[in-house]
This record gives sequence, C-alpha cells and structure tokens, in this order.
Amino acid sequence: QLQLQESGPGLVKASETLSLTCTVSGGSIRSSSYYWAWIRQPPGKGLEWIGSVFHSGSAYYSPSLKSRVTISVDMSNNQFSLKLSSVTAADTAAYYCARHGWATWASDIWGQGTMVTVSS
Amino acid sequence: QSALTQPASVSGSPGQSITISCTGTNSDVGGYNYVSWYQHHPGKAPKLILYDVSDRPSGVSNRFSGSKSGITASLTISGLQAEDEASYYCSSYTSSSTLVFGGGTKLTVL
Repeated sequence: QLQLQESGPGLVKASETLSLTCTVSGGSIRSSSYYWAWIRQPPGKGLEWIGSVFHSGSAYYSPSLKSRVTISVDMSNNQFSLKLSSVTAADTAAYYCARHGWATWASDIWGQGTMVTVSS
Repeated sequence: QSALTQPASVSGSPGQSITISCTGTNSDVGGYNYVSWYQHHPGKAPKLILYDVSDRPSGVSNRFSGSKSGITASLTISGLQAEDEASYYCSSYTSSSTLVFGGGTKLTVL
C-alpha cells in the first residue's frame, strides 16, 4: 500500500527558504497516472494547494505562491520536494504531501503532515 | 484564484441529513466535473470522501453523496453519526490547470 511521509525542519527563520521532502513508499513515483502535490493548512485556517509535479518534472503552482515555490522530483530516491523562498510568519502551517490523479485532481493518499513554524 | 465559498459551519442531530454547499465560478466548479470533497479530523490527514462530483472511493460510506448544479457543488451526509463531526473541504480543478480549495465547513453533530 502506497504511503507518503513528509520530512524537514520544523522551524525556519523569516526570509529564509523552507525545504521539505516527501518520501513515497510502497509504490513508484514514476506512475503516469498521478501528480504529486504539496498542500498546507495555516493554524485555524483552511487547506491551501501549493503546487503539483509530474514524474517528468512538469509542475503547476498556485498563482499566489508561484514566484516563491519550486517543486521537484527525485526519481532515484522515490521522493519529491518543496522549496518555498523568502518565508514570513504567514507561511507557518502544517504541510502535507499528497497524490492526486492526473485527470481528476482528487488527492486519494496523503502524508500525515508536518508542522513548520517561521520564526522572526 | 479565489477560494471556493463554503459555509463556515453546519450542525445536525444524529440520524439527520445535512448538506454543505461549495460555490465557485465557471472557471472551476462550473466548468469541470472535477470537484472533490475531503473530511478532516484535527491532527489527522484529510480523507478523500468524494471525487468527480459524486463518486465515492472504495471504503467510503454511502451516507456521503455529492451533486452539482451550475457553479455550486454540494455534499450531503445522511444518517449523521457522531464520528462525522469534522471539517469538510471541497476542491476543484480550474481552467488554469491549478487546484482550488474551499474555505472549509465545520460540522457539529449535536
């Protein structure tokens, strides 16, 4: 059964770059049927899509974050990663990695999430 | 892109039915049948309960159903149970090849 696990620092300083990795186990990131996504939830707020990447490296990003976000794939390690630059307190959130269908964009498998706090 | 519009909260008694709306635009909800719904309990990962407007993933109770009319999608939960108390989010594919979520609805089972 495919599982996702986020990893990375829980504390990031303001103006620096947030970096997280999602490790895919029990299946291959090379699947042509799925995208691999990052989604976040600030404390007390709703879910926000950050972006999605295909195994080829082709990526789509939220317009509001596009200038600061890079999502990439590491097929040799069956992982995909998120980099968010110039972070502020507004980027403090629980970050989830997830898999969604290339056609439906429905996320059927999620990681447990990791809390990232931006400190000043 | 703007978040899809959901009511902030709904409530119902055990055994009753409730409906949560999700309103977008012709560029997202109204333009595609790629609306999904998620159940989110605090401290846990969101769970997909409906996709493609009304399809249920394997293992999801048939008490959850979905529909769409124009730019508004709806989630109905019938036979409310205490375990249904959670936040519910809709999402939709958009014409810009992006994904947009609703603001979320907190369901309270009285």
